[in-house]
Amino acid sequence: KNQVEQSPQSLIILEGKNCTLQCNYTVSPFSNLRWYKQDTGRGPVSLTIMTFSENTKSNGRYTATLDADTKQSSLHITASQLSDSASYICVVAGKSTFGDGTTLTVKP
Amino acid sequence: EAQVTQNPRYLITVTGKKLTVTCSQNMNHEYMSWYRQDPGLGLRQIYYSMNVEVTDKGDVPEGYKVSRKEKRNFPLILESPSPNQTSLYFCASSLYAGVRETQYFGPGTRLLVL
Repeated sequence: KNQVEQSPQSLIILEGKNCTLQCNYTVSPFSNLRWYKQDTGRGPVSLTIMTFSENTKSNGRYTATLDADTKQSSLHITASQLSDSASYICVVAGKSTFGDGTTLTVKP
Repeated sequence: EAQVTQNPRYLITVTGKKLTVTCSQNMNHEYMSWYRQDPGLGLRQIYYSMNVEVTDKGDVPEGYKVSRKEKRNFPLILESPSPNQTSLYFCASSLYAGVRETQYFGPGTRLLVL
C-alpha cells in the first residue's frame, strides 16, 4: 500500500532557530518527491521537487534532501521566521500520495 | 496575476441539493485536478484532467462529477451531496502532468453539507 508518513506531527520552535521535518514513504513506483507549504486557510504552495537522481534541492532557506534507497526525505528550514508557521506537506509520485503534514509554529 | 480561482470559497448546503464548485486558471495549463483535504487523511485526489475533454478518476471519485469543456475551467459537481462530503476542496493546475511540473493550488472551498 502506498503510504507517506511525516514526522513530527507538530513542532514549535523559536524564531531564528533551525528545524528538520521528516518524510518516509513506501510509494512505488517512484517518480518524484515534492514538499509543499500550506498556510492556514490557503492552498499548498510548492517548495521543492526532486526526482530519483537528485538528493538535495534548495529554495532559499528551505533545503530538501532525498535518500531513494532508504525512501526518506527531509526538509530543513534555516533561520526560521514567523512567516514559516504553516503546515508542510510531503507528496510522493508515481501515484501522488500525500502525507498528513507537519504543523510548524514559529514563536518570537 | 497568474492564479487558480475557486468559487465559492465557503458553502453550506443540505443533503441532496446539487451544487457546483467552479475552478478557473489563467496560466494556459493543460493539467487540472481536484482534491479534498480532511484531518488525518491529508489531500486526496478526486478527479484529474490531462487536457480538454479528457478526465479520469482519482482516488476518491465517488459522489463527484467533473467536466473539462474549456482549457481554463474545471468545475466540480456534487449531484446529491451527503454529509460525508463535508470537506475542504482544492483545485490545482500545472502546465502538464510531468514529473517536474509545479502544481498551483487554488485558495480552497470549504463545504459543509447538513
